[in-house]
Amino acid sequence: QKEVEQNSGPLSVPEGAIASLNCTYSDRGSQSFFWYRQYSGKSPELIMSIYSNGDKEDGRFTAQLNKASQYVSLLIRDSQPSDSATYLCAVNNRGNRDDKIIFGKGTRLHILP
Amino acid sequence: EAEVAQSPRYKITEKSQAVAFWCDPISGHATLYWYRQILGQGPELLVQFQDESVVDDSQLPKDRFSAERLKGVDSTLKIQPAELGDSAMYLCASRDQTSGSNEQFFGPGTRLTVL
Repeated sequence: QKEVEQNSGPLSVPEGAIASLNCTYSDRGSQSFFWYRQYSGKSPELIMSIYSNGDKEDGRFTAQLNKASQYVSLLIRDSQPSDSATYLCAVNNRGNRDDKIIFGKGTRLHILP
Repeated sequence: EAEVAQSPRYKITEKSQAVAFWCDPISGHATLYWYRQILGQGPELLVQFQDESVVDDSQLPKDRFSAERLKGVDSTLKIQPAELGDSAMYLCASRDQTSGSNEQFFGPGTRLTVL
C-alpha cells in the first residue's frame, strides 16, 4: 500500500516567519512530487511540483526533495495570513499507465497576525 | 486561463435518490480523474479516464457509482442510490499527458450532502 504521511497540524506560525511543512512517502519508485494548497471549502490548487533531488524555488515557496530519505518539504518564507490553508503533499509513481497521484491527508497551517 | 469546469457546485439530496455530477476538463487534456474528498482527508481516486477509456476504477463502488466519458471530453459521475456516507466533496481533475508533466489541475468541486 503506497502511503503519503503528513502531520495534520494545526501548525501555527507567526506572520513574517518561515513555515515548514513536511511529508514522507513509502514508495521508493516515486518520481513526481507535488504540493497543493486547499482553502476551506475549496478545491486543491497546485503550487509546486518537484522531480529531482534538491531545492526548487518559486517566489516565497521552496520545495525540497530527498529521495534517499523519501522526504519532501515545503518552505513558505515571509508567511502571510493568506497562506493559512491546508497543504496537501502528493506523490506520483509514473510507470506504464500507473500514473496515479497519492495524496496525504494534509497539514493545516495557521499564520498568526 | 484554462480551467476545469464542474457542476453543480452544491447538491443536497435525500438518501436513495440518484445524483449526477458533470466535469469538463481543460481543453486538450486527455486524462481525467474523479476524486472523492471527505472532510479532513486527502482526495481519493475514484476513477481515471484516458480519452474515453477507463484506466483505473478499482476504488469506485460499482454497485452504486458509475462514470462515463463517452466522447473523451466531458465526463459524468453518477451515484444511485445515494447513501448518507456519500456526503463529501467530489473533485474532477485533468492532466495534459502530452506535456510530459504529471501535474493535475482540479475543478472547483461539487459538495454533496446526503440527508
